[in-house]
Amino acid sequence: DQQVKQNSPSLSVQEGRISILNCDYTNSMFDYFLWYKKYPAEGPTFLISISSIKDKNEDGRFTVFLNKSAKHLSLHIVPSQPGDSAVYFCAAYNTDKLIFGTGTRLQVFP
Amino acid sequence: GAGVSQTPSNKVTEKGKYVELRCDPISGHTALYWYRQSLGQGPEFLIYFQGTGAADDSGLPNDRFFAVRPEGSVSTLKIQRTERGDSAVYLCASSSLTVMGYTFGSGTRLTVV
Repeated sequence: DQQVKQNSPSLSVQEGRISILNCDYTNSMFDYFLWYKKYPAEGPTFLISISSIKDKNEDGRFTVFLNKSAKHLSLHIVPSQPGDSAVYFCAAYNTDKLIFGTGTRLQVFP
Repeated sequence: GAGVSQTPSNKVTEKGKYVELRCDPISGHTALYWYRQSLGQGPEFLIYFQGTGAADDSGLPNDRFFAVRPEGSVSTLKIQRTERGDSAVYLCASSSLTVMGYTFGSGTRLTVV
């Protein structure tokens, strides 16, 4: 039972444009969500998070939006840069553990 | 150290053998986690330590998997009678007890042949 879902395995975006990565979850009890970025042969690194009491959190080029009624969150990257090319994981924090989605591979091309 | 260190970075073992994977957390982090990432999947929780004790081991797939953290710092994940399905990247993370303070190591890629 996949509690956190990322239905797009890959996304290709031109440099300078907006990248939008999507994530859906099933458990309405989740109250904290995070996005991680992963390069090959490295561990995931924390990118940005959002509490369920908010609907938006912004950090530089990265913004996360949360729609609790739809159980949906999205990560916006503007403007996208080639260095953003990586796998992005959405995760929900549940008690003492993170529940990850399957990831979306973002490729930013010049 | 500055980050979470995992050794070895790669391990190839024969089916049925025993393996140990080591994690050195960030100094001072009391919480330590093990996750497993199979091909095409996101990391999946295995076990969580708070200090020396396993606070939550609900993610361990079966009794072939065991983890220890005897002095509240370094942790070892032990897998007995390895199977080909155990092949994955095993990730360790430590935390200063804030969810944003979660730092992952680079992982150990285990291949069972």
